[in-house]
Amino acid sequence: QKEVEQNSGPLSVPEGAIASLNCTYSDRVSQSFFWYRQYSGKSPELIMSIYSNGDKEDGRFTAQLNKASQYVSLLIRDSQPSDSATYLCAVNLWGYQKVTFGTGTKLQVIP
Amino acid sequence: KAGVTQTPRYLIKTRGQQVTLSCSPISGHRSVSWYQQTPGQGLQFLFEYFSETQRNKGNFPGRFSGRQFSNSRSEMNVSTLELGDSALYLCASSNRTAANTGELFFGEGSRLTVL
Repeated sequence: QKEVEQNSGPLSVPEGAIASLNCTYSDRVSQSFFWYRQYSGKSPELIMSIYSNGDKEDGRFTAQLNKASQYVSLLIRDSQPSDSATYLCAVNLWGYQKVTFGTGTKLQVIP
Repeated sequence: KAGVTQTPRYLIKTRGQQVTLSCSPISGHRSVSWYQQTPGQGLQFLFEYFSETQRNKGNFPGRFSGRQFSNSRSEMNVSTLELGDSALYLCASSNRTAANTGELFFGEGSRLTVL
């Protein structure tokens, strides 16, 4: 079982819709969770971090964490064509200096 | 504030050669992590350094090594290159404490092609 799993996609949504990206992780002691966005040919950039159960909102982005279900998600409201990218889920165990990434979900926002 | 700087950006080597990649972290960041990114495997963790000490290492052969200098700059070396080492090598710095793994800020990467 992979440590961090994501559906590779592509996930296609129309402009203005809500995009929902999902991620599961295997290690119950994972403590820190991150979403990175990577445009084609570019390096990943951090867009959200979440450390406790519940929702965290930042502009059009909402990260959701459910540690009991070992599940983290990212919602993008009012999706724009500029949101088209690969979204990487990442997790870290407290005290372990290693951030593990999923293989990413490719999002396509159709104008 | 300058970002993470990686050099060289592109390089081509032949099998059996060795390569050294360099990374300068964001000023004040003491943690540097290295990742290998390939289309099939995604981002694979290589190693992490903090204050010149390697604190964690990924599942890569001993041909992959690294080090960190007192100014937090880091280098990684790959010896006896193989075709499968062709990848984008990403360096990321973090403002992490000794125990807390913080958020990663990536450089633009070094794209290595092995012929």
